[in-house]
Amino acid sequence: DIPLTQSPSSLSASVGDRVTITCRAGQDITNYLAWYQQRPGKVPKLLISAASTLQSGVPSRFSGSGSGTDFTFTISSLQPEDIATYYCQRYDTAPWTFGQGTKVEIK
Amino acid sequence: QVQLQQWGAGLLKPSEILSLTCAVHGGSFSDYYWSWIRQSPGKGLEWIGEINDTGSTKYNPSLKSRVTISIDTSKNQFSLKLSSVTAADTAVYFCAKGRTIFGVVTPFDTWGQGALVTVSS
Repeated sequence: DIPLTQSPSSLSASVGDRVTITCRAGQDITNYLAWYQQRPGKVPKLLISAASTLQSGVPSRFSGSGSGTDFTFTISSLQPEDIATYYCQRYDTAPWTFGQGTKVEIK
Repeated sequence: QVQLQQWGAGLLKPSEILSLTCAVHGGSFSDYYWSWIRQSPGKGLEWIGEINDTGSTKYNPSLKSRVTISIDTSKNQFSLKLSSVTAADTAVYFCAKGRTIFGVVTPFDTWGQGALVTVSS
């Protein structure tokens, strides 16, 4: 398995704040990295694929960057509906693995 | 637009076999690999395995000895069996649409609604 280390495990920010989550892969995965949002009690929703490609219908305040081993997920202006746990996932080779998640809360 | 609907037994005793099925509605069933993923409080999201319409499978090495994923192309359904369950297998289990069979790797863009499976004596 190629490990994914996601940080922080949780964060608390105010509405309108910029929020950044990082994900580090144990080896080069080029850009085969996705980000998901999981609201409480809901199914994970794919937000970003290929490290930086926003899925259709996803608000533009969400963005992703990075390649190789280091990746970043950003919410440019946190909104109340963004309260969720966010996961990174690598999909270069099986077994596909997920980061441990970052729980985002409103301060 | 693909939709996934899953079902199966929600309460098991230790050593029993977990059995879940996922029906695929819409889209092209034969163009993708279909996966099972589980989510437990202790281990987060864990990919279990995948199958395509020819029956070709890949499993997570951590579960491979206990997992069987099968497919019924006549019904556009795929199923998960996990044997010898223990409390550690208590989780929400999801089916999901994965990569294409044409060599294009993609993340999981469509998920089933999830099914809580509890293992308890």
